[in-house]
Amino acid sequence: DGGITQSPKYLFRKEGQNVTLSCEQNLNHDAMYWYRQDPGQGLRLIYYSQIVNDFQKGDIAEGYSVSREKKESFPLTVTSAQKNPTAFYLCASSNRDLNTGELFFGEGSRLTVL
Amino acid sequence: GQNIDQPTEMTATEGAIVQINCTYQTSGFNGLFWYQQHAGEAPTFLSYNVLDGLEEKGRFSSFLSRSKGYSYLLLKELQMKDSASYLCAVNPGRRALTFGSGTRLQVQP
Repeated sequence: DGGITQSPKYLFRKEGQNVTLSCEQNLNHDAMYWYRQDPGQGLRLIYYSQIVNDFQKGDIAEGYSVSREKKESFPLTVTSAQKNPTAFYLCASSNRDLNTGELFFGEGSRLTVL
Repeated sequence: GQNIDQPTEMTATEGAIVQINCTYQTSGFNGLFWYQQHAGEAPTFLSYNVLDGLEEKGRFSSFLSRSKGYSYLLLKELQMKDSASYLCAVNPGRRALTFGSGTRLQVQP
């Protein structure tokens, strides 16, 4: 079945360590997105990519990095520069033209910094 | 900037009707989305409005007034499984959705 797979589902890291969250989709979508969600909050956009080898900063990109070397994959690295990385991270994909399409979400990755 | 406002919490009774409001002020507008999110899970798509008026889909309906920057999600015949957060999101034209903080709905017996 088509869908979006995020891994790992749960991740613990020590302060000062970088960590990479994986996101893979087989929906043949051009666009992919990373959002962060804190308890009781909505989703905030970290990065998004409309096409391979191109990506744009969202509202809270500081302390994060991404790559888009393949259409199917959009990994997110949470660097040590991110001051408060403990959160629920959601990856999504869509057709490039959001005017007609919806976002399809993965099941999320919950990151806890110890 | 982008600003999307929703009530933080609402409570309703099983079998009743509830209306969740959303107001928005965004730099552009290419459509408004409603998503449902159960605790600890990913959001799932409920509805999409780009023109003024009401869109109905089973027990769920969504309304949009672009001139007022206003939308609502109407849930009929509430069921216990409808207890969830409901997220209002706008496509401001930069090809990534901007989300409100969500409304946590609790359905009581």
